[in-house]
Amino acid sequence: AQSVAQPEDQVNVAEGNPLTVKCTYSVSGNPYLFWYVQYPNRGLQFLLKYITGDNLVKGSYGFEAEFNKSQTSFHLKKPSALVSDSALYFCAVRDQGKLIFGQGTELSVKP
Amino acid sequence: SAVISQKPSRDICQRGTSLTIQCQVDSQVTMMFWYRQQPGQSLTLIATANQGSEATYESGFVIDKFPISRPNLTFSTLTVSNLSPEDSSIYLCSVDSGVSSYEQYFGPGTRLTVT
Repeated sequence: AQSVAQPEDQVNVAEGNPLTVKCTYSVSGNPYLFWYVQYPNRGLQFLLKYITGDNLVKGSYGFEAEFNKSQTSFHLKKPSALVSDSALYFCAVRDQGKLIFGQGTELSVKP
Repeated sequence: SAVISQKPSRDICQRGTSLTIQCQVDSQVTMMFWYRQQPGQSLTLIATANQGSEATYESGFVIDKFPISRPNLTFSTLTVSNLSPEDSSIYLCSVDSGVSSYEQYFGPGTRLTVT
């Protein structure tokens, strides 16, 4: 069965510093991977995806993610964090049309 | 991207009653999905709803508890029946972004509290 894991419940970063939110996956076949963000009292917003092609994918709000097949990882990154990036981030994998989500990582960016 | 609305945005219900959640999309879509997000938890798929056919439920979810309707290509409802405090969650609907795009777009969610 397809699955993703987010090993960190919480990530704390100072504003202006680079941020990384980790995700590892376990799939059979080629993975279709996604990152979503959830702000308080709001639905999920799509950030970016990896389907095929370039291992570095760029998404919304300056986020990017690197697909690493040998390490089975798909970490979310941003060169310079903003306080407004503070939110709950979910990694997901597509399996027969449905999304399977990781447990989520709470990102806190302090001024 | 599709614009998805849900009603109600939140509700407080008594144990033993039912709540019906509506999901409206601004474009026609083949499949609609219903997810549950329990407090402090990740999202779990409840069922997939195709227009004109019975919904497909995931393991652990049954039609008697979570009946779903899909009367047309832009609308779906999820009913949570015989409510218990354990049903207190956020319920979200989503749709595929389109052919060969693979991501899903989500509604704002319905926050249900059962007392």
